[in-house]
Amino acid sequence: KAGVTQTPRYLIKTRGQQVTLSCSPISGHRSVSWYQQTPGQGLQFLFEYFSETQRNKGNFPGRFSGRQFSNSRSEMNVSTLELGDSALYLCASSLNQGTYNEQFFGPGTRLTVL
Amino acid sequence: DQQVKQNSPSLSVQEGRISILNCDYTNSMFDYFLWYKKYPAEGPTFLISISSIKDKNEDGRFTVFLNKSAKHLSLHIVPSQPGDSAVYFCAASKGSGGSNYKLTFGKGTLLTVNP
Repeated sequence: KAGVTQTPRYLIKTRGQQVTLSCSPISGHRSVSWYQQTPGQGLQFLFEYFSETQRNKGNFPGRFSGRQFSNSRSEMNVSTLELGDSALYLCASSLNQGTYNEQFFGPGTRLTVL
Repeated sequence: DQQVKQNSPSLSVQEGRISILNCDYTNSMFDYFLWYKKYPAEGPTFLISISSIKDKNEDGRFTVFLNKSAKHLSLHIVPSQPGDSAVYFCAASKGSGGSNYKLTFGKGTLLTVNP
């Protein structure tokens, strides 16, 4: 079974621009979560989508948004980029069965904001 | 407010010996805990998990221990192998059903296994 895939793997943008990142979950997984990893803050939860609805949200400004499509694929958008948005953005998918569910991560998208 | 803490930024062990990675948490509502391993330029790889109704879970060379009263968990790797060298993250979540998809991560511990 193919793992979580993320595109693009690397991206360079300038301040003020916007960016869209894409994530394809493991086949059959219906929950998709997004995380930001930076050297200073570590791994931080952005949001989680299930059945095309945002079900959980972290403490990030409204410039960070996402959506999920009917095939469970998800996109994340960051508008008005700031230098501090430079980070590794990770997507994780989960089966959403039972009480507890492991999340499986993709390789990430490395975003550099200049 | 760091709710999940990994106080050792790095750990070095000899091949064949035991590696013990520690994690502390402050939020008593956490009831599901996971360990992930991360190599550079890759996403975290799920290793093992434990729910709060258990105090131990074992999977091959990996064992996770949970001490709820101390709000402490540890990951034991026996025997350690050079391929285990990576950053290890402890993560926690709370609630069941849809609310447990928000993982709170520690800052990670870099494990180096020397041949």
